[in-house]
This record gives sequence, structure tokens and C-alpha cells, in this order.
Amino acid sequence: AQSVTQLDSQVPVFEEAPVELRCNYSSSVSVYLFWYVQYPNQGLQLLLKYLSGSTLVKGINGFEAEFNKSQTSFHLRKPSVHISDTAEYFCAVSETTGKLIFGQGTTLQVKP
Amino acid sequence: DTGVSQDPRHKITKRGQNVTFRCDPISEHNRLYWYRQTLGQGPEFLTYFQNEAQLEKSRLLSDRFSAERPKGSFSTLEIQRTEQGDSAMYLCASSSRTVQEAFFGQGTRLTVV
Repeated sequence: AQSVTQLDSQVPVFEEAPVELRCNYSSSVSVYLFWYVQYPNQGLQLLLKYLSGSTLVKGINGFEAEFNKSQTSFHLRKPSVHISDTAEYFCAVSETTGKLIFGQGTTLQVKP
Repeated sequence: DTGVSQDPRHKITKRGQNVTFRCDPISEHNRLYWYRQTLGQGPEFLTYFQNEAQLEKSRLLSDRFSAERPKGSFSTLEIQRTEQGDSAMYLCASSSRTVQEAFFGQGTRLTVV
């Protein structure tokens, strides 16, 4: 069975500092990997996805992630965060049906 | 098309009542998913439709829950005899076979009192 582990439940960071949100997955088959962002009382918005090809994936709002097959990781990074990046971030793996398995989420708290 | 639409956005109901939520997917998407999200947790898969066929149901989907997607368009999720443990955000998403990306609605927040 597939599973996703987000290693940090909360990540506090000062504005304009870099940030990394960690995600590890387990799967016995090839997977698609995603990062979603959720603002309070909202649905989920896709930040970026890895389907195949280059292991470095760039997304919206200056975020990027690197797929590492040997370490089964898909960590999310941003070189300089803004107050507006404060939100809940979810890593997810999908099966061929498109069904998503999510991690527990990481709360990014950007401080002024 | 403005994306995935869910109705209502909020629902407060008394324990034991039945509730029904609606999801309108992106029109060209043939896949539709329901997820449940409780506070501080990631969304959990409930069920999946391809066109009008319900192809997978989670063990989380007890017999009090039923979902339909008549004619492969909108979908409804009904919860019968609601319990306080059903309080959660119910999220709907849609996708297509060719686009490996799920688009989510704003969710319906259910509170059972």
C-alpha cells in the first residue's frame, strides 16, 4: 500500500528566509507526486506535480520540489518566503486511478 | 467553467438527521472523487467515480454513506443518521485520464451538533 509521511507538522520561518518542507513516500510501483496548498476554510490548490522526466519540478508562487527515487522523497522548497505563504501544505501520491493518498500536512508559519 | 463547485459550503445539522452534498465537477472531467478532512489531518479518500460508475469505495465509507453520479455529471454524497464523528470538511475533486491532476472544490464543512 502507498503512504506519505510529512516529517514536520509545523515549520516556523521568518519572512524572506528559505524553507524546505519534507515529504517521504512509500510505494511498490511508479508513482505520481504532488504538493498542494490549503488556505483556511478553502479547498486544495495544486502547487506542483512530478509525473516523469526531470526530477526538479517548478511550480507556482516560486516553489520547487525535487524527486529523489533512491530516498523516496519529494521535498518542497522556496528560496524566499512571504507572509502570504502562510498555509497548510500537503504532499500526496497518486495511483493510476488518480486517487490521492495525502500526508498529514505541514503548517508553514511565516513570521514578519 | 469556473472549476469544481460544491454546495452547500457549510452545513450544521442535528445528530440523527440526513444530509446531502452536491459536487459539480469540471465539465470535461470524467473522474470524480470525494475526500473527508478532519481538523489537523490530510484529506482521506472516500470514493471514486469514472463517468457514472462508482469504481472504488474506502472502508471509511460506512453503510450510512452513499454517493451517486447519475449520468456521469454532478455527484451527491448523502450521510444518513449523522453522528458527531461525521463532522468534517468534505472535499470533491475531478480529473481526467489525460491530465494527471485533480482539481478540488472549496469543500462543504459539516458540523453535527
